[in-house]
Amino acid sequence: AQKITQTQPGMFVQEKEAVTLDCTYDTSDPSYGLFWYKQPSSGEMIFLIYQGSYDQQNATEGRYSLNFQKARKSANLVISASQLGDSAMYFCAMRERNQAGTALIFGKGTTLSVSS
Amino acid sequence: EADIYQTPRYLVIGTGKKITLECSQTMGHDKMYWYQQDPGMELHLIHYSYGVNSTEKGDLSSESTVSRIRTEHFPLTLESARPSHTSQYLCASSLNREGSPLHFGNGTRLTVT
Repeated sequence: AQKITQTQPGMFVQEKEAVTLDCTYDTSDPSYGLFWYKQPSSGEMIFLIYQGSYDQQNATEGRYSLNFQKARKSANLVISASQLGDSAMYFCAMRERNQAGTALIFGKGTTLSVSS
Repeated sequence: EADIYQTPRYLVIGTGKKITLECSQTMGHDKMYWYQQDPGMELHLIHYSYGVNSTEKGDLSSESTVSRIRTEHFPLTLESARPSHTSQYLCASSLNREGSPLHFGNGTRLTVT
């Protein structure tokens, strides 16, 4: 069963607009962590933001925020004021405590295209 | 600047050749990982290591092997390359601490002809 689901293969947004990239996850462990990564066309993976399952507040990092809805098992990434440089593939990933050390499980990704 | 280095960046090699993809990190991270990623697709874990002399296979079956003789070095070896091995290989490392993100190298794009 897929642990991380990203249902949007592609998203299109204009500069300066906000965009939400969806991510749902599946786990029975009460302790887990959720990550978002950005992968530009050059191929490197850039860490954006982290949310722990016990964190009371939604994580924020500059223009990135994570809309964490624990009961719905969703961890959507919100990018405010999109820029052309935000065009990239975005991956949601999860680490479960009971598999500590087994690394992150990634979703299939969402391609974001920002136009001027 | 990168603290985790992968070489080569690109590699084109013939079927049957033995290859080693290099990965080194200067952050003193205990955990290191190898992921395989086809273009535009998700990452699949193929190997990981908790520390020196510790290696484990990941979720994706792979014909490659790894070694971890030094903390900073985690090479991946294909004994006999095949066209099905054509892919991008991403190395990563992290602290052994909850919430610590993986730091990725720039990847090796492998093409087996």
